[in-house]
Amino acid sequence: AQSVTQLDSQVPVFEEAPVELRCNYSSSVSVYLFWYVQYPNQGLQLLLKYLSGSTLVKGINGFEAEFNKSQTSFHLRKPSVHISDTAEYFCAVTLFTNAGKSTFGDGTTLTVKP
Amino acid sequence: DVKVTQSSRYLVKRTGEKVFLECVQDMDHENMFWYRQDPGLGLRLIYFSYDVKMKEKGDIPEGYSVSREKKERFSLILESASTNQTSMYLCASSSPRGWRNTEAFFGQGTRLTVV
Repeated sequence: AQSVTQLDSQVPVFEEAPVELRCNYSSSVSVYLFWYVQYPNQGLQLLLKYLSGSTLVKGINGFEAEFNKSQTSFHLRKPSVHISDTAEYFCAVTLFTNAGKSTFGDGTTLTVKP
Repeated sequence: DVKVTQSSRYLVKRTGEKVFLECVQDMDHENMFWYRQDPGLGLRLIYFSYDVKMKEKGDIPEGYSVSREKKERFSLILESASTNQTSMYLCASSSPRGWRNTEAFFGQGTRLTVV
């Protein structure tokens, strides 16, 4: 079975600072990888995804993530955050053959301070 | 745009009541999911359906059942609500396309309080 670990439950940063949200996964087979964002009192929406090809993927709102197969990581980064990036972020993995069922991490709360 | 609609944003029910949470998607997706979200625990899968009338238990199915009579609609049923089922419930849908699975599309969530 696969598992996902988000290494930080809370990340406070100042506006315009860079941020990295860390995600490690474990799986014995190939996976697809996703980052979702959840704004207060809303559902989750996709930020970006890695299916195959280039290991650096770009998403919405200036976020990007790098797939590192040897380290089984998929860390999310943004070079300069805004107040509006305050939200909860979830990393998720789906096995190639698992009919679309994803396993989610516990979430990282990003708080951007002025 | 894909739209996943959950029938209620907020619900308050009494212990022992039978509770129905409804979810409808408009993109002809084969897969539909019900998750429960609690602080610090992330999203936990309750039930999954990959076709009409087909269902599969997730990680925490106890105390829940589901119904999928039509492709676009997936209902979560709490047979006898208990206070430990107070939570945020999220519905999602996705579509496997050939050998690739797409991302999940989520509804806005239903915050259920059982008193």
